[in-house]
Amino acid sequence: SAVISQKPSRDICQRGTSLTIQCQVDSQVTMMFWYRQQPGQSLTLIATANQGSEATYESGFVIDKFPISRPNLTFSTLTVSNMSPEDSSIYLCSVEDGPVDEQFFGPGTRLTVL
Amino acid sequence: QKEVEQNSGPLSVPEGAIASLNCTYSDRGSQSFFWYRQYSGKSPELIMSIYSNGDKEDGRFTAQLNKASQYVSLLIRDSQPSDSATYLCAVPRVGSSYKLIFGSGTRLLVRP
Repeated sequence: SAVISQKPSRDICQRGTSLTIQCQVDSQVTMMFWYRQQPGQSLTLIATANQGSEATYESGFVIDKFPISRPNLTFSTLTVSNMSPEDSSIYLCSVEDGPVDEQFFGPGTRLTVL
Repeated sequence: QKEVEQNSGPLSVPEGAIASLNCTYSDRGSQSFFWYRQYSGKSPELIMSIYSNGDKEDGRFTAQLNKASQYVSLLIRDSQPSDSATYLCAVPRVGSSYKLIFGSGTRLLVRP
């Protein structure tokens, strides 16, 4: 399966600021996704990052808050904008790899907003 | 009714026993099913996928799917303390093969 890296692995930020999370894959993949895992909760899909077009956001998530870039088939960024303590979560990117729609996750970015 | 439901646990089993983890889903049209293992502080790791009714075995893991009853289970034979983790069931939203809906996860504790 694809090897996925994320930067930063963790960060502590002040409210009102923004953080950009990077996701890098070691091979070209069509589908990349961003998830959020709030403390003690399961994973929720934020958006699908589409190469060459705007991301597709899930209900409850908007582009102004979570702008996403996908400049090529191996890289994507997620920005968490105008952060509040409620944004404290683990943010994970995933890719669909292989012929049977399996998704594999990066190591995650643990964000704490003070 | 939640789209994907799991008992949150913790499920506690002694070392060497069989751990049985269950997941039910609401959409009868679901076609593929995934089990992820998540250690504390780590990201989810795909351990099993299943697409057809019946059993699928991979080492100590067996996934069981019953589409008529809308449940999928994961059996872990000869459980080891290293299997202690949260197990997440994931099902793609019908009409979208890649938008995974995750259950809340079952925490498994294997006692030495």
